[in-house]
Amino acid sequence: GQQVMQIPQYQHVQEGEDFTTYCNSSTTLSNIQWYKQRPGGHPVFLIQLVKSGEVKKQKRLTFQFGEAKKNSSLHITATQTTDVGTYFCAGGMDSSYKLIFGSGTRLLVRP
Amino acid sequence: GAGVSQSPSNKVTEKGKDVELRCDPISGHTALYWYRQSLGQGLEFLIYFQGNSAPDKSGLPSDRFSAERTGGSVSTLTIQRTQQEDSAVYLCASSSTGMTYNEQFFGPGTRLTVL
Repeated sequence: GQQVMQIPQYQHVQEGEDFTTYCNSSTTLSNIQWYKQRPGGHPVFLIQLVKSGEVKKQKRLTFQFGEAKKNSSLHITATQTTDVGTYFCAGGMDSSYKLIFGSGTRLLVRP
Repeated sequence: GAGVSQSPSNKVTEKGKDVELRCDPISGHTALYWYRQSLGQGLEFLIYFQGNSAPDKSGLPSDRFSAERTGGSVSTLTIQRTQQEDSAVYLCASSSTGMTYNEQFFGPGTRLTVL
């Protein structure tokens, strides 16, 4: 079945260091969404990418969608303690209602 | 407007008892999803509703799990004869339509503990 693999599972960085999480799909996606879940919280939508090769930025966060629309990445520049949480990617397919969520990358930031 | 709400926020039950978890989606959202999240894990899809119909129940772990949605709004997830492995956070999400291009809005979840 459709799968979205996400790595790393866990990353612990020093405040100010950069962070990247990667998602890879076994099938071509129509779109990919990213969510952030703070500790003890629920997933909150960050952004959606739809076009091949698309790059979007939100302040220190940069999101990319691969040319083949099978992979995506989230890069955080100069992490802050407020970035702590688990980041999930979620892939969608045309004519489908279901997002396939990656397993998430848990980010911890040392102050 | 109000977001997705879920009740109860916490539920502790004894093995073998039945539990009901409730989800109130955002008004007007036709699509509703249930997920399960075990401690430190990802989101496990359980069931999808479009209106009152559930075209995809494929994620329900066993026949002890059932769900319904009434009036195109409130949804209830029922777990019968609970087992310890059912302990998890149950998340509900809604979106304006059932297309994957729509953002999913999550509720705060119900933390279920089966003793």
